[in-house]
Amino acid sequence: AQRVTQPEKLLSVFKGAPVELKCNYSYSGSPELFWYVQYSRQRLQLLLRHISRESIKGFTADLNKGETSFHLKKPFAQEEDSAMYYCALRGYNQGGKLIFGQGTELSVKP
Amino acid sequence: GAVVSQHPSRVICKSGTSVKIECRSLDFQATTMFWYRQFPKQSLMLMATSNEGSKATYEQGVEKDKFLINHASLTLSTLTVTSAHPEDSSFYICSARGVNTEAFFGQGTRLTVV
Repeated sequence: AQRVTQPEKLLSVFKGAPVELKCNYSYSGSPELFWYVQYSRQRLQLLLRHISRESIKGFTADLNKGETSFHLKKPFAQEEDSAMYYCALRGYNQGGKLIFGQGTELSVKP
Repeated sequence: GAVVSQHPSRVICKSGTSVKIECRSLDFQATTMFWYRQFPKQSLMLMATSNEGSKATYEQGVEKDKFLINHASLTLSTLTVTSAHPEDSSFYICSARGVNTEAFFGQGTRLTVV
């Protein structure tokens, strides 16, 4: 079965501290992995995807197939990073649908 | 990025009535649209996937006669909640994907059934 697990419901850090939002997945194959962000009162938007191997707003995520993880990291958190973060999986030949994790609320305190 | 617009953003309806939610892709052709339901501070639960001109594919546990989905054109999909009840109150989100594009999300519709 396809599943995305984000073990932390809430992650609270101080400004300037490193951040790691955990994501583990279950899928029998090679999925595409994504991170989406939802700022307060805004729509869900794509933050980054594993195939791009890019850094967006200082965030990076590496796909670890051995550990079936796709953790999101940022070395120095900013207050404007406070938001809900969702890890998502898209399977091969699944019609393009995204399966989302439960979400992690990141709160960056001044 | 591409724009997906949902209408209405909020709707209140009486129990037993039906309500229609529209999802439009404004600047691209959406070959596939997805409908999600989101509870407060919880994940998005996929309800169904629709391809233009085809019947929607519903996820397990989602009543197709309750949640009618129509995707009649490449820019419009509608979700109709029929005979709504208070337990249908939720935040409904659509997303649209074109050929060789990622999925873009609408702003969501807050449905309250009283």
